Amino acid sequence: GAGVSQTPSNKVTEKGKYVELRCDPISGHTALYWYRQSLGQGPEFLIYFQGTGAADDSGLPNDRFFAVRPEGSVSTLKIQRTERGDSAVYLCASSLSIGSYNEQFFGPGTRLTVL
Amino acid sequence: ELKVEQNPLFLSMQEGKNYTIYCNYSTTSDRLYWYRQDPGKSLESLFVLLSNGAVKQEGRLMASLDTKARLSTLHITAAVHDLSATYFCAVDSGGTSYGKLTFGQGTILTVHP
Repeated sequence: GAGVSQTPSNKVTEKGKYVELRCDPISGHTALYWYRQSLGQGPEFLIYFQGTGAADDSGLPNDRFFAVRPEGSVSTLKIQRTERGDSAVYLCASSLSIGSYNEQFFGPGTRLTVL
Repeated sequence: ELKVEQNPLFLSMQEGKNYTIYCNYSTTSDRLYWYRQDPGKSLESLFVLLSNGAVKQEGRLMASLDTKARLSTLHITAAVHDLSATYFCAVDSGGTSYGKLTFGQGTILTVHP
């Protein structure tokens, strides 16, 4: 079946602009995660959803970052007033649920470049 | 705060040789994952280790978990070029934060003829 999909694959924006990154999880997966990966580093947790609600948003770096999942499927990560330091690959993952078995399947990522 | 450290960070191997990548973590957890990442690609799940003493094997790779030592190993047997990639371990925070993975820095593996 189809895996996790993310759009766009690449996004170039100017400092101060607003961007939205979209994630479409694997069908039937109720848990959805966002991570950020900077060059040469491991992914860093941002937020995860169980259904429509954010179960843990402790990784969001500041209030410029916000994510929603209004119908419990597709999620959008929103970044306001982008800064050059926001440049990274934003990865989305999904799993069947949150619980004792939690294999997360990752999408291809969105490479965000803030000029 | 959970910290995850991998070593080595860079590993250059000859084909046919064996080696081990180590993953240490700082707080109690019994859920650990290994992922592979090829350049410019996303993460591919390799192993899910869910209990102390868990051992999983797939082809030339074998992963194990010792929760008491807070240590996981990824052992490579008779390396081949196709194994060249970056390997990450990730630890689940558990408790009320199930699902929140903390990743190591990654080990860049290069296998030479």
